[in-house]
Amino acid sequence: DTGVSQDPRHKITKRGQNVTFRCDPISEHNRLYWYRQTLGQGPEFLTYFQNEAQLEKSRLLSDRFSAERPKGSFSTLEIQRTEQGDSAMYLCASSSGDREEEAFFGQGTRLTVV
Amino acid sequence: AQTVTQSQPEMSVQEAETVTLSCTYDTSENNYYLFWYKQPPSRQMILVIRQEAYKQQNATENRFSVNFQKAAKSFSLKISDSQLGDTAMYFCASKTSYDKVIFGPGTSLSVIP
Repeated sequence: DTGVSQDPRHKITKRGQNVTFRCDPISEHNRLYWYRQTLGQGPEFLTYFQNEAQLEKSRLLSDRFSAERPKGSFSTLEIQRTEQGDSAMYLCASSSGDREEEAFFGQGTRLTVV
Repeated sequence: AQTVTQSQPEMSVQEAETVTLSCTYDTSENNYYLFWYKQPPSRQMILVIRQEAYKQQNATENRFSVNFQKAAKSFSLKISDSQLGDTAMYFCASKTSYDKVIFGPGTSLSVIP
């Protein structure tokens, strides 16, 4: 296993379009997190899953954002009707049950809304 | 709610010298973890060092060590013998059990040859 994988690495989209990102966690990890990071800032929590259950959503996650983790494996983050303010790096992280405090991060998906 | 503060947006250090990055945090929990993550330019976030709040002994990982002051809610990172590869954003973070990691705003560290 090579770690947390995110796809695509880069996405440029026009304002108003929908985009979907994928995250494949480390295979035995049951926790999966999504964060958003803007330039020069720390990652901001968006949502996280324990297996397939979405346990918490940040108030940052407007109605245009939705995340899923079917079957408790990979996860998708969809943004509908993108806005320029959605431009950011979207980071995924995962952790295991017995060492749930240690999160491993993917390389992120950089979204640019033009 | 957890909060993490890093008061040094940017720092620089000469190669082979020692630098200390500051972090303060706030939590109402008794059981929590503290971390320093490194994010090199255009590369992924990696864990540098972690500290369990119930442990009094400061964590050490090779050239990286922390000064954990629980009463003061302070968690600083010391990098000894700085190397060019240490140039990165450094994020202090905290986590309680079965909760998410909360990050500080980061410190941009530049190691000068």
